[in-house]
Amino acid sequence: EVQLLESGGNLVQRGGSLRLSCAASGFTFSSYAMSWVRQAPGKGLEWVSGLSDSGGSTYYADSVKGRFTISRDNSKNTLYLQMSSLRAEDTAVYYCAKGLGTTVRYNWFDPWGQGTLVTVSS
Amino acid sequence: DIQMTQSPSSLSASVGDRVTITCRASQSISIYLNWYQQKPGKAPKLLIFAASSLQSGVPSRFSGSGSGTDFTLTISSLQPEDFATYYCQQSYSNPLTFGGGTKVEIK
Repeated sequence: EVQLLESGGNLVQRGGSLRLSCAASGFTFSSYAMSWVRQAPGKGLEWVSGLSDSGGSTYYADSVKGRFTISRDNSKNTLYLQMSSLRAEDTAVYYCAKGLGTTVRYNWFDPWGQGTLVTVSS
Repeated sequence: DIQMTQSPSSLSASVGDRVTITCRASQSISIYLNWYQQKPGKAPKLLIFAASSLQSGVPSRFSGSGSGTDFTLTISSLQPEDFATYYCQQSYSNPLTFGGGTKVEIK
C-alpha cells in the first residue's frame, strides 16, 4: 500500500524557518515526481512546489519562489520542503502528493498524505 | 499562469440528483485536467485524471469530459457520501493550478 506521511509542521514566528518531511513507502519512490500542495484554513487547494523523480527539475508557485526549496533523498524515500522567510499567509495544512510519472507536468496527484499544519504567528 | 475557474462555487442537491460541475481554463490545456474530491478534515482524493479517465476504485456514477478550455465533472446520481468539495486541477504547464472548488451540499 502506498503511504505518505508528512511531519515537521509547527507554530513558527513570522520571518522564521521550518522544514517539512514526507516519508514515502509502498512504491519505488525514486521513480516518481512529487509535489507539495497547501490549504489555508477554510480555503481551497494551492500547489506549492514539485520536483521530478531524480530531483533534477524543480518548480515553484510564484507565492513561494525564492523562499521555499523542495528536495528529495531517494535513498531515504523522503521528500522535503525547506521554508524560510515565513509569512502569515503561509499558514496552511501542507500535503505531499505522489505524481503518476517522472515529471511534474502532464500528471496527477495520487495519493496524498494526511497533511501537516504550519502556523505562522505575527 | 493558467487560471482555472470552477462554477458554481457551491450547490445544493438531493440524493439521486444529477450534478454537473464545470471548470474553465484561461488557455487551452488539451486533456491535462484532473478532478479531486475532498471531505472535511481529509486529504483530497483523485476521481478523474486526463479529463475523462476514471481512477481505479471510484464509482462509475462519476464521469468527466472536455478538452481544450472547457471541462465538466458529472455525478449521475448523487449519493450521501458524495457531499464534499470538488476541485479541478491543470497539469499542462507549471505552475500547476487548481480551481477554487465547488461545495456540494445537501438540499
